[in-house]
Amino acid sequence: AQSVTQLDSQVPVFEEAPVELRCNYSSSVSVYLFWYVQYPNQGLQLLLKYLSGSTLVKGINGFEAEFNKSQTSFHLRKPSVHISDTAEYFCAVSPTSGTYKYIFGTGTRLKVLA
Amino acid sequence: DAGVTQSPTHLIKTRGQQVTLRCSPKSGHDTVSWYQQALGQGPQFIFQYYEEEERQRGNFPDRFSGHQFPNYSSELNVNALLLGDSALYLCASSYRTGNMNTEAFFGQGTRLTVV
Repeated sequence: AQSVTQLDSQVPVFEEAPVELRCNYSSSVSVYLFWYVQYPNQGLQLLLKYLSGSTLVKGINGFEAEFNKSQTSFHLRKPSVHISDTAEYFCAVSPTSGTYKYIFGTGTRLKVLA
Repeated sequence: DAGVTQSPTHLIKTRGQQVTLRCSPKSGHDTVSWYQQALGQGPQFIFQYYEEEERQRGNFPDRFSGHQFPNYSSELNVNALLLGDSALYLCASSYRTGNMNTEAFFGQGTRLTVV
C-alpha cells in the first residue's frame, strides 16, 4: 500500500519570496511521483512529474521538485512566488507497475501575500 | 482538444436519492478513473474503467457504481445518497499501452451537494 504525507496544511509566503512545499511518501513498491495544483472551484492541473532519470524535475510556472529516494521525499520548490500561485497543491504517487491509480496527500494551501 | 469534460458542474440532491455524473475522456484516451474529493481533503480513488469493465476499485461501498460506454465515456452512479457523499467528483482519463497507462488528465469536476 502507498501513502502520502504533506506536512504543512497551509503555507503563507510573501510575494517574490522562495517557497518549499514538503511531501513524504511511503510505499512497498516503486512509484512515480506527481505534483498537482488546484485553483478554487477547478480540477487538478499537473505541475510536474518524476517517472525516472534525473531526480531534479522542472515543471510549469517555474516550479521544480527533487526526488530523494533515501528520504522518500518529493519536495516542491519555487524561487520566487507570485500572487497568482495562491492555490492548493497536491502531491501524489502511483505504482510503477499496473495502471495509473493515484494516491494523493491531503494538500497544502499556498497563500501568497502582497 | 476539449480535454476531459464533466457534467453537470454542480448538483444538489436530497438524502436517499440517486445521482448520475458523466465524463467524456480526452481525445485518444480509453481509460477513465473516478475520484472523490471531500472538502479540505485530497482526491480518493473510487474506481477505474477500461474496455467497459471495472478494472480497479478503491475502498468505496457498492452504492458507488459506474459504467463505460463503447465511445469510452463514463458514468458514475451513487445510490441512496448520504450527507457524507457531498464532495467534488473528479474524472481522469488516460491511454492504456500494454499493462500501463499514460499520465492521467483530470476534468474540472462535478460539485455534488447532498441536503
